[in-house]
Amino acid sequence: DQQVKQNSPSLSVQEGRISILNCDYTNSMFDYFLWYKKYPAEGPTFLISISSIKDKNEDGRFTVFLNKSAKHLSLHIVPSQPGDSAVYFCAASAGSSNTGKLIFGQGTTLQVKP
Amino acid sequence: DTEVTQTPKHLVMGMTNKKSLKCEQHMGHRAMYWYKQKAKKPPELMFVYSYEKLSINESVPSRFSPECPNSSLLNLHLHALQPEDSALYLCASSQELPAYEQYFGPGTRLTVT
Repeated sequence: DQQVKQNSPSLSVQEGRISILNCDYTNSMFDYFLWYKKYPAEGPTFLISISSIKDKNEDGRFTVFLNKSAKHLSLHIVPSQPGDSAVYFCAASAGSSNTGKLIFGQGTTLQVKP
Repeated sequence: DTEVTQTPKHLVMGMTNKKSLKCEQHMGHRAMYWYKQKAKKPPELMFVYSYEKLSINESVPSRFSPECPNSSLLNLHLHALQPEDSALYLCASSQELPAYEQYFGPGTRLTVT
């Protein structure tokens, strides 16, 4: 049972345009969501997070939107840069009863073309 | 300093060998984690330590044995592994539990022959 889903395995965008990565979840107990970026042969790098009490969080070029009623979140990268090319993982946790377990989606490979 | 370090970077071992993976963080974090990641898959949690005590074991086979000697160090002892255990092993840390952001190390690429 996949509780966190990233339905697009890959995404290709032009440099300077917006990249939108999507993530859906099924467990209503999740109340904290994170995005990680991963380059080949490296560990995931934390990008941005959002608590379920918010619907938007922004950090520089990265914005995460949360739609609790749809159980959907998205990561917007504006403007996209070639260095953003990586695998992006969405992750979720049940904060209030948090055991430290993060549930990851399958990942979306983003390619930003110069 | 938001760095988690892991050694070795690469490890090749036979099925009868005993080896250890090491992880270190100097962020004062009190929760540490081991994850396993297979190619083109998301990281899967193996163990969680909180204040140097094992908090979660995700039904990991006993051929993997974690150890937390102090709040900065986390080891994973390996013995009698199988070829299907070949993967990227990731260590992570967070301030404490409940955990929010977890910070990952670069991983150890393990190959079991």
